Amino acid sequence: EPEVTQTPSHQVTQMGQEVILRCVPISNHLYFYWYRQILGQKVEFLVSFYNNEISEKSEIFDDQFSVERPDGSNFTLKIRSTKLEDSAMYFCASSDVGTGLNEQYFGPGTRLTVT
Amino acid sequence: SQQGEEDPQALSIQEGENATMNCSYKTSINNLQWYRQNSGRGLVHLILIRSNEREKHSGRLRVTLDTSKKSSSLLITASRAADTASYFCATEILANDYKLSFGAGTTVTVRA
Repeated sequence: EPEVTQTPSHQVTQMGQEVILRCVPISNHLYFYWYRQILGQKVEFLVSFYNNEISEKSEIFDDQFSVERPDGSNFTLKIRSTKLEDSAMYFCASSDVGTGLNEQYFGPGTRLTVT
Repeated sequence: SQQGEEDPQALSIQEGENATMNCSYKTSINNLQWYRQNSGRGLVHLILIRSNEREKHSGRLRVTLDTSKKSSSLLITASRAADTASYFCATEILANDYKLSFGAGTTVTVRA
């Protein structure tokens, strides 16, 4: 069964460093998303991406964040200068909205720890 | 204000019993989706119910949706130890470009 994959599973970085989180969405999906979950809190929407551009972004997704689909398979989230409060689990998701259902399938997540 | 709120926050049941959890939301939706998350792991999609549907089944899962009350319930029948997880409802709001708004979740513990 096709699935969303994410790398790395765990990333430790120092405050102020840039990180790139990588995702490979399900191959025939057209909508891509990033969400995050701070430990013990609920999952929060960051950004949606369709047709090579951002469809919607939340207040969390400020100028420090960017997304890119560098080729036909990868979808990346970059945090330019990490802060302690960026420590969270980051989930990538994808959906095939053409079915009319928008079932979003999530990857296993990347745990980002900023020290 | 939060779109999805589950209750109870935590539920502990014996293996074989049924588990019911509820989700309430505030604004009109396209659909409501339930997800499971095992501790520290990813989100597994369980079931999607559209706003014009009232009930949906998938294996041991039964989901209801009452749009007049803006609420949904997830029933897990004949629970197993492997059902121990956190369960989240997520709503896709009308005209909201497909993003999902998640509730805080219900943590279910199934005792063997």
